[in-house]
This record gives sequence, structure tokens and C-alpha cells, in this order.
Amino acid sequence: AQSVTQPDIHITVSEGASLELRCNYSYGATPYLFWYVQSPGQGLQLLLKYFSGDTLVQGIKGFEAEFKRSQSSFNLRKPSVHWSDAAEYFCAVGDYKLSFGAGTTVTVRA
Amino acid sequence: DTGVSQDPRHKITKRGQNVTFRCDPISEHNRLYWYRQTLGQGPEFLTYFQNEAQLEKSRLLSDRFSAERPKGSFSTLEIQRTEQGDSAMYLCASSPRLEEGYGYTFGSGTRLTVV
Repeated sequence: AQSVTQPDIHITVSEGASLELRCNYSYGATPYLFWYVQSPGQGLQLLLKYFSGDTLVQGIKGFEAEFKRSQSSFNLRKPSVHWSDAAEYFCAVGDYKLSFGAGTTVTVRA
Repeated sequence: DTGVSQDPRHKITKRGQNVTFRCDPISEHNRLYWYRQTLGQGPEFLTYFQNEAQLEKSRLLSDRFSAERPKGSFSTLEIQRTEQGDSAMYLCASSPRLEEGYGYTFGSGTRLTVV
């Protein structure tokens, strides 16, 4: 069975500070891994994805994520957060059918 | 290409009524998915189509739910005899074959409130 755990329900970060969101997954084979962002009342926007190859993946909006097979993790990072990054972030694993974590809400303080 | 479109954006209905939602995927995507998202949770898989064929249905999709994709283009999700527990955001997504290196593209969702 495939599943995702996002251990942090809510993170508050100062504007300009770095951000790291944790994601641990369970999957029987080589996983396809995704990070999505959702603003209130909106659908999900794909930030980045890992399918194979280089374990450090670059995405949109200055985000990156690192796949670590030994730790079953796919953590999302951003070096310097902007106020517009306040949103909910979802990690997902799967192939044609995705399993999502419960999400991490990011609050950015001035 | 305008992305994945969902209609309506919001729907308020009385318990026991039937509702139908529509999804128009990205035109060249042959796969279409429906997910349900409740407050404070991540989306949960409901069903998926490859072209017009419905290939998988989640156990979450009770017999009150039915989805169609008649010509392999747009899709509809119907809920009969709605219950308060059906209140959620219903998300549609489309993709080409994931093996080609693409992720899903989601629509903005339909927010259903059953009163």
C-alpha cells in the first residue's frame, strides 16, 4: 500500500528565512513523488516532481526537493520565503493514482 | 490551452437532492481523475478514466456516486441523494501517461455544501 506522512501540520516562518517541509512515503517500488501547493479555495498547483535520475529536483517558485531512498523521504525546501508562499503544501506518491499527505500549512510573518 | 476546467465552482444543495459536476480536461490528456478533499485533509482518489474507459473506482465511491466520460473528453460526476457527509471539494485532474514524465494538472475544484 502507498501512503504519505507529513509530520508538520503547521509551520510559521519569517519572510526571507529558509523553509523545509518534511515528507515521508511508503511505496512498494520506485516511487513517483510530487509536491503540490494549494491556496485557500483553489485547486492544487504542481511545484515539482521526481520520477527518476537526479535526486535533487528543482521546481517552480524557487522550490527544490531531495529524494532520499534510504530515508523514504522527499523533503521540500526554499532558501528564502516570500509572503506569497503562505499556503498549504501537499506531498504525494503514486503512479496513475496518487496518495496525498494531510498537508502542511505555511504561515509567513513579516 | 486553458488548463482543467470545473463547473460549477460552488454548489449548495439540500440533503437528498442530486447534483452533477462537470470537468473539462486538457485536450491532449487521455487520463482523467476525480478526487475528493475534505477540510484539513489531502485529496483522496475517487476514480480514473483512460479515454472513455473507467479503469478504477475507490471504495469511497459508494453506489450513490457515478462518473462518466462519454467520448473520452469531458467528464461528469453525479451524486444522488446527497448526504451531509458528501460536503467536500471535488477535484478533477488530467494527465498524459505519467511514464512520459508529467504530473497531474488539477482544476480549481467544485465546492459542494449539503445543507
